[in-house]
Amino acid sequence: EPEVTQTPSHQVTQMGQEVILRCVPISNHLYFYWYRQILGQKVEFLVSFYNNEISEKSEIFDDQFSVERPDGSNFTLKIRSTKLEDSAMYFCASTPSGLGANVLTFGAGSRLTVL
Amino acid sequence: AQSVTQPDIHITVSEGASLELRCNYSYGATPYLFWYVQSPGQGLQLLLKYFSGDTLVQGIKGFEAEFKRSQSSFNLRKPSVHWSDAAEYFCAVRGTASKLTFGTGTRLQVTL
Repeated sequence: EPEVTQTPSHQVTQMGQEVILRCVPISNHLYFYWYRQILGQKVEFLVSFYNNEISEKSEIFDDQFSVERPDGSNFTLKIRSTKLEDSAMYFCASTPSGLGANVLTFGAGSRLTVL
Repeated sequence: AQSVTQPDIHITVSEGASLELRCNYSYGATPYLFWYVQSPGQGLQLLLKYFSGDTLVQGIKGFEAEFKRSQSSFNLRKPSVHWSDAAEYFCAVRGTASKLTFGTGTRLQVTL
């Protein structure tokens, strides 16, 4: 079964450093998403991306965050200058177009620890 | 704005017992509703979804959920729980916006 692949599975970084989390969505999917889950809290929407631009973002997704689809397969989340509170599990998700667009397929997540 | 409430933070059931996890949503129209499961250290796996039609939906691993518009609920059920069902369960709602809004989750513990 096709799956969403995320790398790295775990990254530890120092506060203030830049971090890039990578995702390979399912190949025929057109909509891409990032969510995050701070330990012990709910999964929160960060951003959705379609046709090479952001279609929606939450208030969490401030200027420190950016997303990019640098080629035909990868979808990245960049945190420019990490803060302690950015420590979380980050999930990438994708959906196809049409009727399937409402069903998100999630990756296994990238755990980010900011020290 | 859409929202989801899962009133039970933690539930413990014995293996073989029945299970019901509660979910209430807030949304103006008929929402798209989902249940996801997250095993320790794993990602989010879709259990089942409701878009329209039959209000009782079947999912994977023997789970089912019933949409009740009058109660704004979408409770998840399983007639006989297995030890491997121990995980965190998230109810989610999607409205006209592209984002999925999750509840806070219910952690299920299964005793042998």
